[in-house]
Amino acid sequence: SYELTQPPSVSVSPGQTASITCSGDNLGDKYACWYQQKPGQSPVLVIYEDSKRPSGIPERFSGSKSGNTATLTISGTQAMDEADYYCQAWDSSTLYVFGTGTKVTVL
Amino acid sequence: EVQLVESGGGLVQPGGSLRLSCAASGFTFSDYSMNWVRQAPGKGLEWVSYTSSGSITKYYADSVKGRFTISRDNAKNSLYLQMNSLRDEDTAVYYCAREEAYGDPFDYWGQGTLVTVSS
Repeated sequence: SYELTQPPSVSVSPGQTASITCSGDNLGDKYACWYQQKPGQSPVLVIYEDSKRPSGIPERFSGSKSGNTATLTISGTQAMDEADYYCQAWDSSTLYVFGTGTKVTVL
Repeated sequence: EVQLVESGGGLVQPGGSLRLSCAASGFTFSDYSMNWVRQAPGKGLEWVSYTSSGSITKYYADSVKGRFTISRDNAKNSLYLQMNSLRDEDTAVYYCAREEAYGDPFDYWGQGTLVTVSS
């Protein structure tokens, strides 16, 4: 089955840049999206089609992809950005696949 | 405003059944595909099931295939998940999630409903 791998945790100081990676076989041939999930809340879509931002999502959230690794970047990280982040892609055999998740801590 | 509200969760014994509902509002429900996604306590997200806008196409994760059935009633703006032969490992918060078309990201999620399978 298809798998997406993320680092378990990322720590960042307020105002600095946080980068979260998501790796998977042939991810370069698929679209990646990213969800933010704060404790006790539902996931929120923050990036789709690798780098597009839904309306209402702050500009400090950006996405990119190089080869088989997608990256979510949070520039000028704020305390409110502390959350779990999940990448997701669609695969023809496994269908909807979520990454393992990354806990972002703002120190 | 798009709203998805799940209900029907609760405590059920292993081998039992439960039916979850998701009430949609704020958009034309019949224009969108819908999914169920679950999250076990302290764990990550797991896609469970998909239905196309007109119920023609349905897909299931291997972990629930043959036990869960997704359905929808476009006249009632509602999505359902019938869960049979429940196992301990089905314990999770179940979310309904909207997508514009098959393979698209999930742009809106409900608040979730907790299903606990335990004796």
